[in-house]
Amino acid sequence: GAVVSQHPSWVICKSGTSVKIECRSLDFQATTMFWYRQFPKQSLMLMATSNEGSKATYEQGVEKDKFLINHASLTLSTLTVTSAHPEDSSFYICSASVSQGAREQYFGPGTRLTVT
Amino acid sequence: ILNVEQSPQSLHVQEGDSTNFTCSFPSSNFYALHWYRWETAKSPEALFVMTLNGDEKKKGRISATLNTKEGYSYLYIKGSQPEDSATYLCAFLVHYGGATNKLIFGTGTLLAVQP
Repeated sequence: GAVVSQHPSWVICKSGTSVKIECRSLDFQATTMFWYRQFPKQSLMLMATSNEGSKATYEQGVEKDKFLINHASLTLSTLTVTSAHPEDSSFYICSASVSQGAREQYFGPGTRLTVT
Repeated sequence: ILNVEQSPQSLHVQEGDSTNFTCSFPSSNFYALHWYRWETAKSPEALFVMTLNGDEKKKGRISATLNTKEGYSYLYIKGSQPEDSATYLCAFLVHYGGATNKLIFGTGTLLAVQP
């Protein structure tokens, strides 16, 4: 149980284009979803938290107009990297919780984004 | 700024060796500590959620201890097997009252078990 999928697993895009990453909870309803980013040799860093039906809350230093997050249903959240640049190349991973205050988070396998 | 540190960064052991790694975290306002096992190209898998000082949890050959007063947790693997090769992450759970909890991750310990 508690399976989270992510799509695509890797993507290459040209500078200036936008790319969308999907995060789905397959066997449970996720009231809250989280988006993390990991640069080489660094830890997973929380980018934003989204609750179903509400606007996402972004961490300090994360541009909300660049990283658009939509959490329109209890099983799907999307992250759109708009006008991507090479410095946005990173590993993006989502997690999901059954409730806002839950201790457990269930992770997807991540998406490797390369911007050329 | 909350900081979670893990050591060592990487570890190479022989099959059958026992090993342990450390996670250090802030000792104030403790709520919970998570351990995850992360194999390449897979989702991080939750191993333990530890909440009480002195907690000791076990899952097969893997166990973990928690000291919230001094801010550290140890993960032990007894008789390492090649399939234990993975990155082991710890994450400190920050609790904001009624608001969402947030995980602050360490950089992980990469374990390679040679057959």
